[in-house]
Amino acid sequence: DAGITQSPRHKVTETGTPVTLRCHQTENHRYMYWYRQDPGHGLRLIHYSYGVKDTDKGEVSDGYSVSRSKTEDFLLTLESATSSQTSVYFCAIRGQGASGNTIYFGEGSWLTVV
Amino acid sequence: QQQVKQSPQSLIVQKGGISIINCAYENTAFDYFPWYQQFPGKGPALLIAIRPDVSEKKEGRFTISFNKSAKQFSLHIMDSQPGDSATYFCAASRSFGNEKLTFGTGTRLTIIP
Repeated sequence: DAGITQSPRHKVTETGTPVTLRCHQTENHRYMYWYRQDPGHGLRLIHYSYGVKDTDKGEVSDGYSVSRSKTEDFLLTLESATSSQTSVYFCAIRGQGASGNTIYFGEGSWLTVV
Repeated sequence: QQQVKQSPQSLIVQKGGISIINCAYENTAFDYFPWYQQFPGKGPALLIAIRPDVSEKKEGRFTISFNKSAKQFSLHIMDSQPGDSATYFCAASRSFGNEKLTFGTGTRLTIIP
């Protein structure tokens, strides 16, 4: 599992509330990613990070922000959750060395916005 | 804009048969093409990957066929088994720098006895 832990794994929240998802990795990977998975859309990149305090937007970044103050933690925040953000969120890291192109995914965080 | 198009959306194959999933890409700068397998409730996991310097890569029952001129690649699962029932995603990226994977929309494969 490449040492990736996502929390919470499941959350139900109300529209308009802030939500933060946490991704924790234990193997000092430089690159970290947040994807969302929705039926008919596959996996779409929200934000990514290439180092501490270095982040950039993906293809579906509107309504999301991220922070990476430590190598091991990458946080995804929904400032004011909307029903369209109901989804499964996956954190991922990029392998190093010989597996430098391989993206490893966490187990996912199921978010429902009611 | 969907840069990686995947088909079919769902596929039912009899046990022992060949499962074929197709993908097409648009960006000619892509040079890394992985396939991911995802079981319900789990994150996607790398299954097999290919680079455009070869036309085929085989790992066990899984084969990627790659056609650079047509900008297409496909996954073949030989002797399909019920345990292969999962969702499969193709993806593409460039190899260098912080290149991000662009995924297809996924194929739900069901292997029936």
